[in-house]
Amino acid sequence: DAGITQSPRHKVTETGTPVTLRCHQTENHRYMYWYRQDPGHGLRLIHYSYGVKDTDKGEVSDGYSVSRSKTEDFLLTLESATSSQTSVYFCASESGNTIYFGEGSWLTVV
Amino acid sequence: AQSVTQPDIHITVSEGASLELRCNYSYGATPYLFWYVQSPGQGLQLLLKYFSGDTLVQGIKGFEAEFKRSQSSFNLRKPSVHWSDAAEYFCAVGKAAGNKLTFGGGTRVLVKP
Repeated sequence: DAGITQSPRHKVTETGTPVTLRCHQTENHRYMYWYRQDPGHGLRLIHYSYGVKDTDKGEVSDGYSVSRSKTEDFLLTLESATSSQTSVYFCASESGNTIYFGEGSWLTVV
Repeated sequence: AQSVTQPDIHITVSEGASLELRCNYSYGATPYLFWYVQSPGQGLQLLLKYFSGDTLVQGIKGFEAEFKRSQSSFNLRKPSVHWSDAAEYFCAVGKAAGNKLTFGGGTRVLVKP
């Protein structure tokens, strides 16, 4: 386990509003990731980070931005939420070439 | 580009029977391979991983997986399933550090009494 906590765990928001999901890890891991999970698609990478202020896009990055100002925190922001962003979001961090996941954040955009 | 295929979306197995979940991957180099399990409403838990060496790897909860390079496969097995094994299972492929995993679509396992 990588001591990963996500907040909020559940959120309902309206279309067009900004949303920020927070990921916090306690193991001082360098690499962190945001994935989304949708039925039939498994998990798809949104953004990742190789260190403080070092981030890059993943497979499904449109409509999302990230920030990493401290090693332990990795924020995912939906600038203007859309219904297609209703999903379960998982944060992860890496240790020893192995990725460990948080418990997930359930986001519903209505 | 790397990809992972899990051909079976659902599998139903009787408690005590054996289980095999299929995973095929496409990757341009020596892959790092993983199996994760997800119980309803939970995060993903690592079952086992393969980086190199012995192609038969043992994991937690009595699971094992075999890497077959010639078949580009990494199938997961368990000799005797328990009701608590009902969950969704994900195969993933990646590389060394900075491990941007690519996941398969998952296989949902139902266990009959």
